[in-house]
Amino acid sequence: NAGVTQTPKFRVLKTGQSMTLLCAQDMNHEYMYWYRQDPGMGLRLIHYSVGEGTTAKGEVPDGYNVSRLKKQNFLLGLESAAPSQTSVYFCASSYGATAGYTFGSGTRLTVV
Amino acid sequence: AQRVTQPEKLLSVFKGAPVELKCNYSYSGSPELFWYVQYSRQRLQLLLRHISRESIKGFTADLNKGETSFHLKKPFAQEEDSAMYYCALSGPDSGNTPLVFGKGTRLSVIA
Repeated sequence: NAGVTQTPKFRVLKTGQSMTLLCAQDMNHEYMYWYRQDPGMGLRLIHYSVGEGTTAKGEVPDGYNVSRLKKQNFLLGLESAAPSQTSVYFCASSYGATAGYTFGSGTRLTVV
Repeated sequence: AQRVTQPEKLLSVFKGAPVELKCNYSYSGSPELFWYVQYSRQRLQLLLRHISRESIKGFTADLNKGETSFHLKKPFAQEEDSAMYYCALSGPDSGNTPLVFGKGTRLSVIA
């Protein structure tokens, strides 16, 4: 029972490069989320999805895009990475908006 | 607007001492409130939610609507409680709004 799996776990990018972070869940959850975690800032919502084929912006969406083509997968893309996007990225999923979240183990991204 | 405030960035207590991690919220309706914990090098995990009124690992939290607080308490701290704790709020009256997290409090239990 994998729960929520994030790949990759670590990545170093050069400014201007692009990449995609993958989140996969095997719990048949409708809702999926991408948060970033920064020291002193807590967790801030980037984008989320309330079902397959739907996405919505969170608190800090600029510089990121997402797609939810399949219910079990939620992709986070960085089109042109910037040093300000250096962070730990967490994916989470839940049955509903007010249900408890299951988190992935995180992706530590460094942009140099 | 929904807002969660955790006033303490760091809380240090001695083993066996009582612990209280503060959480205050701003929400006009009836909130759903949660505490999540992140142990070193591990993923965030749900510790408890107010609606279930459970006691997990000796921790409890009571929703006080008058004071708009959801403080996390434990009568006797253990070294293994050292972790980052996040309070989070969901507003069921707001439709599908995701959880809003506080900035977190790092609990350090000193032997």
